[in-house]
Amino acid sequence: DAKTTQPPSMDCAEGRAANLPCNHSTISGNEYVYWYRQIHSQGPQYIIHGLKNNETNEMASLIITEDRKSSTLILPHATLRDTAVYYCIVKVRFSGGYNKLIFGAGTRLAVHP
Amino acid sequence: NAGVTQTPKFQVLKTGQSMTLQCAQDMNHNSMYWYRQDPGMGLRLIYYSASEGTTDKGEVPNGYNVSRLNKREFSLRLESAAPSQTSVYFCASSGVQGAHRLDPLNEKLFFGSGTQLSVL
Repeated sequence: DAKTTQPPSMDCAEGRAANLPCNHSTISGNEYVYWYRQIHSQGPQYIIHGLKNNETNEMASLIITEDRKSSTLILPHATLRDTAVYYCIVKVRFSGGYNKLIFGAGTRLAVHP
Repeated sequence: NAGVTQTPKFQVLKTGQSMTLQCAQDMNHNSMYWYRQDPGMGLRLIYYSASEGTTDKGEVPNGYNVSRLNKREFSLRLESAAPSQTSVYFCASSGVQGAHRLDPLNEKLFFGSGTQLSVL
């Protein structure tokens, strides 16, 4: 089962790019990487997902290394509202036969003025 | 659309009391989930329901039961609450209509606003 490793916390200046790393060295060839974020005590919010190509949407960009063992979530112009915990997650197989997302501790990103 | 609605938002129980957390989604999703989040930690999966009529254990199922009442509703029951169950509980749903089960968008989870539960 693939697991992920993220730094516990990061800081970023408002207006600058925030680059959040994630290691998933045991990921298998057909597993996607998903990113979610949780602002304060709200429910987590989906950001983006990817398999092996770089992805971009209105929220962020996702860069996945060629060997797929790590990825980086990029918030191109961080704002104070991007202060949150960011989760990099992959699926884990459970006894019911389904693969489900497992959330780790995530990275607490603090965006400061 | 309301999305995922959880009730109640706050609850205080005494040890040994029972209660049911309610969750409903109006997005016609197939899958529903219950997570718990302890202070400073990530979310842990308690139970999930891949489709109406099925439920399966997640990471931390002990002390909980669930019921997938219909496609919209998925409830979580604490039969005999313990202080260790003090946590924030989140319900979520997912599932793109008509998509293959391996479609990654099936893992786009939509979360409710959470229930803060304290067991004294």
